[in-house]
Amino acid sequence: EAQVTQNPRYLITVTGKKLTVTCSQNMNHEYMSWYRQDPGLGLRQIYYSMNVEVTDKGDVPEGYKVSRKEKRNFPLILESPSPNQTSLYFCASRGDKNIQYFGAGTRLSVL
Amino acid sequence: GDSVTQMEGPVTLSEEAFLTINCTYTATGYPSLFWYVQYPGEGLQLLLKATKADDKGSNKGFEATYRKETTSFHLEKGSVQVSDSAVYFCARASGGSYIPTFGRGTSLIVHP
Repeated sequence: EAQVTQNPRYLITVTGKKLTVTCSQNMNHEYMSWYRQDPGLGLRQIYYSMNVEVTDKGDVPEGYKVSRKEKRNFPLILESPSPNQTSLYFCASRGDKNIQYFGAGTRLSVL
Repeated sequence: GDSVTQMEGPVTLSEEAFLTINCTYTATGYPSLFWYVQYPGEGLQLLLKATKADDKGSNKGFEATYRKETTSFHLEKGSVQVSDSAVYFCARASGGSYIPTFGRGTSLIVHP
């Protein structure tokens, strides 16, 4: 089954404790991206990657890092999380006809 | 820059009512247009799409027509069901990289 898998689905952490949210897709897509979803603000793109070792900033990259060492994986790294990064995060990959495939989401709370 | 504007929600309807969710987009380039749906607790999934002017996308009883003259892509359904309760996102993508731009989402609540 074609899918984008994010882990964990829920995460509670404390300010300053580094964390990584993993994302993996099994569709051999080149383009992948991360979004955060906040009430009243909709979806905002954090980072995207056009292919292996090619990443670029989206609209709200501050406080986040990404890496793309393999085509299937695109982890999101928060080196020093802060409470304003409490949000719902989605990973997505882009397939044929520019259709986006989304993971189920990771709900992060930073205390 | 490129943008997508959706009507604010929530939209609250009774079952079998007619639905319209408005969406307008910036016309730079020749964008493809999309509607995505997000059911509670899930990620977004594609509902329908249109790639050029006058195209009509349709799926699950929902329709939207790519209107170049009004830069609109309004979502419609003739008779909504409780199971249609979700958040609906309009999106556009164009240019060489096809980086998508999403609207803010419109919450639909359908009562029995």
